[in-house]
Amino acid sequence: GAGVSQSPSNKVTEKGKDVELRCDPISGHTALYWYRQRLGQGLEFLIYFQGNSAPDKSGLPSDRFSAERTGESVSTLTIQRTQQEDSAVYLCASSPLTGTLTDTQYFGPGTRLTVL
Amino acid sequence: QKEVEQDPGPLSVPEGAIVSLNCTYSNSAFQYFMWYRQYSRKGPELLMYTYSSGNKEDGRFTAQVDKSSKYISLFIRDSQPSDSATYLCATGAQKLVFGQGTRLTINP
Repeated sequence: GAGVSQSPSNKVTEKGKDVELRCDPISGHTALYWYRQRLGQGLEFLIYFQGNSAPDKSGLPSDRFSAERTGESVSTLTIQRTQQEDSAVYLCASSPLTGTLTDTQYFGPGTRLTVL
Repeated sequence: QKEVEQDPGPLSVPEGAIVSLNCTYSNSAFQYFMWYRQYSRKGPELLMYTYSSGNKEDGRFTAQVDKSSKYISLFIRDSQPSDSATYLCATGAQKLVFGQGTRLTINP
């Protein structure tokens, strides 16, 4: 079956512009996660959705970052007024059940964001 | 101090060697320990998962957890060029915390 997909795969933008990153999770997966991976770094948790609600958005680095999920499916991560330090790969993952630690997270290929 | 520390490498070994990848963590409440493998320009994929202390073996891969020293290891036996990837350890209580990842290259 289809895995997690993300679009665009690459995004180059100018400092100060807004960007939207999209994640299509595996169909039927309840939990959805966004992570950021800076070059040579591990994954940094951003936000977690259970259904369409976000019980944990503690990892969002600033109010320039926001995310939503609709229809318990697609999620969009929006970064406003992008800065050069926002350059990273943004990874989305979904898991089938309750989003507990024991649920396997299935990752998409990521969106590589470059802010000039 | 980071919650999970992992030597970023890079680590380069000849084909057939035994590889040892390691992480340390700081929170004794962490109970679940995972290893993810990430090929270049791909998302991570779960490789192995263990609960509490002990060993778990899956083919050429063995995951080991020592909770007394807060030390996590992944051993790869008879390493193959196809094992070349970045390996990330992960653990946590409410949510996963990932290590920095170790870039591994197996040379034919």
